Amino acid sequence: QKEVEQDPGPLSVPEGAIVSLNCTYSNSAFQYFMWYRQYSRKGPELLMYTYSSGNKEDGRFTAQVDKSSKYISLFIRDSQPSDSATYLCAMSANNQGGKLIFGQGTELSVKP
Amino acid sequence: DVKVTQSSRYLVKRTGEKVFLECVQDMDHENMFWYRQDPGLGLRLIYFSYDVKMKEKGDIPEGYSVSREKKERFSLILESASTNQTSMYLCASSSTGTSFDTDTQYFGPGTRLTVL
Repeated sequence: QKEVEQDPGPLSVPEGAIVSLNCTYSNSAFQYFMWYRQYSRKGPELLMYTYSSGNKEDGRFTAQVDKSSKYISLFIRDSQPSDSATYLCAMSANNQGGKLIFGQGTELSVKP
Repeated sequence: DVKVTQSSRYLVKRTGEKVFLECVQDMDHENMFWYRQDPGLGLRLIYFSYDVKMKEKGDIPEGYSVSREKKERFSLILESASTNQTSMYLCASSSTGTSFDTDTQYFGPGTRLTVL
């Protein structure tokens, strides 16, 4: 079993839809959670960074962590065609700049 | 802004060739990483380095080696390229510190390597 599981999709939604992207993990030591966005033929870029449980909001994006269920989510409101990308979750235990454990990535397509 | 650059965006090599992929970061980061990314397999860590001349194996080091002679530069070497090393190669860097988001890795644009 992988340490981090993420449905690879692809996920296709109409413009304006609310998108929910999810990851589950098995290591209860993980405390730092990230979402990266990767456009086609580009490197991943950090989208959201959260610590421990709770919600964090940034514009149309909300990151949610439920440590009791070992489950993290990224919500995108009012999705736009420019949100079409692969979204990768990543996590670590100690925030020391070391290894991250990545999910496989979910490919999202937002249709106009 | 952090900038991570990779020497080539696209590279085509022949089986058996020695291949060098170069990565340079300009933020004085201590940590640097090499990943490969394949459809259906996600990002897989090949090697990483916490300091100059230091290296540690990642999850899939076989067939690869690395070199870090200067803090800003981390090279990935394919000693004898094989067709199963055709992939997207991504370099990343991160700092070692106490800020809230120390674990953030900053990625380069990637090198798409094709081995024929």
